[in-house]
Amino acid sequence: DVQMTQSPSYLAASPGESVSISCKASKSINTYLAWYQEKPGKTSNLLIYSGSTLQSGTPSRFSGSGSGTDFTLTIRSLEPEDFAVYYCQQHNEYPLTFGSGTKLEIK
Amino acid sequence: EVQLVESGGGLVQPGRSMKLSCAASGFTFSDYDMAWVRQAPTKGLEWVATISYDGSSTYYRDSVKGRFTISRDIAKSTLYLQMNSLRSEDTATYYCTTTALYYFDYWGQGVMVTVSS
Repeated sequence: DVQMTQSPSYLAASPGESVSISCKASKSINTYLAWYQEKPGKTSNLLIYSGSTLQSGTPSRFSGSGSGTDFTLTIRSLEPEDFAVYYCQQHNEYPLTFGSGTKLEIK
Repeated sequence: EVQLVESGGGLVQPGRSMKLSCAASGFTFSDYDMAWVRQAPTKGLEWVATISYDGSSTYYRDSVKGRFTISRDIAKSTLYLQMNSLRSEDTATYYCTTTALYYFDYWGQGVMVTVSS
């Protein structure tokens, strides 16, 4: 199985700041990496797939980069609604696997 | 608007069975592969199973293979997960999702399954 190591597990930032979340795969997954946002009381939201392709409706302040084993989610100029939990997921092969999550909180 | 509404969860004893349902609307159900993803309390997300758009292909994680069966009724636009021989480690919130190219684009709100005596 492809192990996904996500860091940090917790991140505190202020609105307007930029943050980055890392996701590392235990072997190459090409560019097949997705990012999700999870908020209490709401359905999980696909933000990015194939490493850097924004899902329809994802604000342009979100960006994804990377290939092979190292990937990054960057959120520029944080908005209040961005404070949530973020997960990465490799979509290169079965079994599909997720990172352990990053909780982004308001500083 | 895509809507996925799960039902059928609850408390079940170890070794017993339970069947989850997911009613889909707002899209052409027969065009999409579908999947179940679960999240145990205080844990991360875990893919469980996927079924192709026409039901001809299914995929499972090893820990549920032989115990869980994913299926779909295209006429009813409903996805199912039959869970047999349940274990305590199956306790989780189960999410119904659409899936394209192995990622999950739309999610339901989830249904809780608790396996306990």
